[in-house]
Amino acid sequence: SAVISQKPSRDICQRGTSLTIQCQVDSQVTMMFWYRQQPGQSLTLIATANQGSEATYESGFVIDKFPISRPNLTFSTLTVSNLSPEDSSIYLCSVEEGNGYTFGSGTRLTVV
Amino acid sequence: GIQVEQSPPDLILQEGANSTLRCNFSDSVNNLQWFHQNPWGQLINLFYIPSGTKQNGRLSATTVATERYSLLYISSSQTTDSGVYFCAFAYTGTASKLTFGTGTRLQVTL
Repeated sequence: SAVISQKPSRDICQRGTSLTIQCQVDSQVTMMFWYRQQPGQSLTLIATANQGSEATYESGFVIDKFPISRPNLTFSTLTVSNLSPEDSSIYLCSVEEGNGYTFGSGTRLTVV
Repeated sequence: GIQVEQSPPDLILQEGANSTLRCNFSDSVNNLQWFHQNPWGQLINLFYIPSGTKQNGRLSATTVATERYSLLYISSSQTTDSGVYFCAFAYTGTASKLTFGTGTRLQVTL
C-alpha cells in the first residue's frame, strides 16, 4: 500500500497566524483527501484535492480558510489560515487505493 | 444521508478478554473499512471489508452488507489495543469520500 509522509507531526501556533501541512505520497494518486478531527470527535472530510484543478470543499469548509495546493500527483498541502483556538485539531491526509484508504500520520495543531 | 452508528461508544476490558465492536449503517455502502486510532493520533488501517470475513492475528472482521452491519472482533486483548476504533465507508455511487462513524473508545487494563 501507499506510504504517506505528513509533516509537521505537531505544532503550536499563535492565533492569527497560518500553518501549512504537507503530504508526500510514494506513488502517483489521482485524488488526495484532507480530514479534520476535533478533540474527542470523529474525522470530518475538509476537501478533495485533484491535480490540476481546484479542490472540492465539503459543506462548512471554505477555500479562504483552508487553501489547498496539488501541484503534482504525489504531493499536496493544506493551509489552515487565520488560526483561532477552535482550529486546534488533528489534520490528516488520505489517498484511496484499490483495497481502501491509507492515511498520513496526522498533524496535531494547537492554537494558543 | 446515511446514518452510521457504532457501539458500544466506550469499552473497558481487562487484558486477555475478548470483545465485539459493531457498526450499523442505514443504506448500502462501499469500501467499508475498520481503523484503529492509537493514543498518538495515528490512524491505522485494520481491514478493508466491503463484505465477508477477514482475519489478521487476534483481530477479525465480518461485514454483512445485505443486513447493513459490520463487526470487529478483538480476541485476547492487550494494552496496545487501547485507542479508538472507527468504521468508515463511502456512499454507494458517489465519488470516493469516506464517512466515519462516531467510534468506540477502548481501554485495556492490566
